[in-house]
Amino acid sequence: ELKVEQNPLFLSMQEGKNYTIYCNYSTTSDRLYWYRQDPGKSLESLFVLLSNGAVKQEGRLMASLDTKARLSTLHITAAVHDLSATYFCAVAVYGKLTFGQGTILTVHP
Amino acid sequence: EPEVTQTPSHQVTQMGQEVILRCVPISNHLYFYWYRQILGQKVEFLVSFYNNEISEKSEIFDDQFSVERPDGSNFTLKIRSTKLEDSAMYFCASSVSGELFFGEGSRLTVL
Repeated sequence: ELKVEQNPLFLSMQEGKNYTIYCNYSTTSDRLYWYRQDPGKSLESLFVLLSNGAVKQEGRLMASLDTKARLSTLHITAAVHDLSATYFCAVAVYGKLTFGQGTILTVHP
Repeated sequence: EPEVTQTPSHQVTQMGQEVILRCVPISNHLYFYWYRQILGQKVEFLVSFYNNEISEKSEIFDDQFSVERPDGSNFTLKIRSTKLEDSAMYFCASSVSGELFFGEGSRLTVL
């Protein structure tokens, strides 16, 4: 059974600081996703990572994938309040997604 | 931009009642999924559907659940006799080449 583990599960950050969320998974996968979810809302796709060494950046967020280590990271640079949300990684195997537990990110002044 | 649409956005029902959640996937997509998220928890896979049949289902997807694609456009999730623990957000997703696109979700509250 595929296991996907994120850490930390709760992250309280000051504005302007950097931090990294980690996503470990237990078996080979097709692709890895990062999603953002605001309270009561749907899943907003942030990144899709397809291959080993893939790195994608959008604004203050950067995601990377190491398929050998079965690890993905979501790096936050110079956090701002608008980034406060829950972030999920999800691992795809034959199209089916298995989600991590989510990281609740709170950015405060 | 094409999107997955779901109705209703919120449904309140009494325990034991039947509920049908509807989804209109993106038109050229071939694979369809239902996921659910209990409040404050992670998103869980329920079922995948391809070529008019279930391709995979999770342990959560028991005999109380069913899916169908009645008219070639809608993709429905039926819960025959709802339980309190069915209260959750239900997300539909579709794909054509691996990347999933999620709908806005249907919030089900069972009283």
